[in-house]
Amino acid sequence: KQEVTQIPAALSVPEGENLVLNCSFTDSAIYNLQWFRQDPGKGLTSLLLIQSSQREQTSGRLNASLDKSSGRSTLYIAASQPGDSATYLCAVRGRGSQGNLIFGKGTKLSVKP
Amino acid sequence: NAGVMQNPRHLVRRRGQEARLRCSPMKGHSHVYWYRQLPEEGLKFMVYLQKENIIDESGMPKERFSAEFPKEGPSILRIQQVVRGDSAAYFCASSPIVGQAQAYEQYFGPGTRLTVT
Repeated sequence: KQEVTQIPAALSVPEGENLVLNCSFTDSAIYNLQWFRQDPGKGLTSLLLIQSSQREQTSGRLNASLDKSSGRSTLYIAASQPGDSATYLCAVRGRGSQGNLIFGKGTKLSVKP
Repeated sequence: NAGVMQNPRHLVRRRGQEARLRCSPMKGHSHVYWYRQLPEEGLKFMVYLQKENIIDESGMPKERFSAEFPKEGPSILRIQQVVRGDSAAYFCASSPIVGQAQAYEQYFGPGTRLTVT
């Protein structure tokens, strides 16, 4: 059974720092991995999608990597800003599934001005 | 192109009442997923539907919960005889399935926050 873990559960950094969020999954048989952002009381905003054949994806200050064999992904945020404060969720779509995503519990990021 | 729409955004029901949650997928998307986020928990998959078909309902509670996606109109998640433990945020996602379904992103709606009093 696929399980997704995100470490740390919470992170507080000063503005301007570069930071890394971690995601691990137990079954490497995945179609893809998706990183989301969730603001309090809001829905999910998709940040990056990495297909199983890819090693990384970049969008602006965000870079996500995928090491399928070791069951790990990282989300790198460069030059963090207070507006980056949110909960970041990692989700995988397993090859044994009909298409549903399996989510980690998220990392709550706080960027202090 | 409007995103995934859900309504209502907030719903309050008393124990024993019925809750109906609606989801309109993005234009051109014919596949809908429902997820539930309990307080202090991660999002959990509930059900995956295509037009007029339930593809996977492995995450749905066995009783009181049902879902449909008719040929016309939005997808509906229905909870009968709600209990306090049903209080949660319910999210709908849609994706465009062309070819290999699992390769595509899911786009999420803003959610419906259900409170059972």
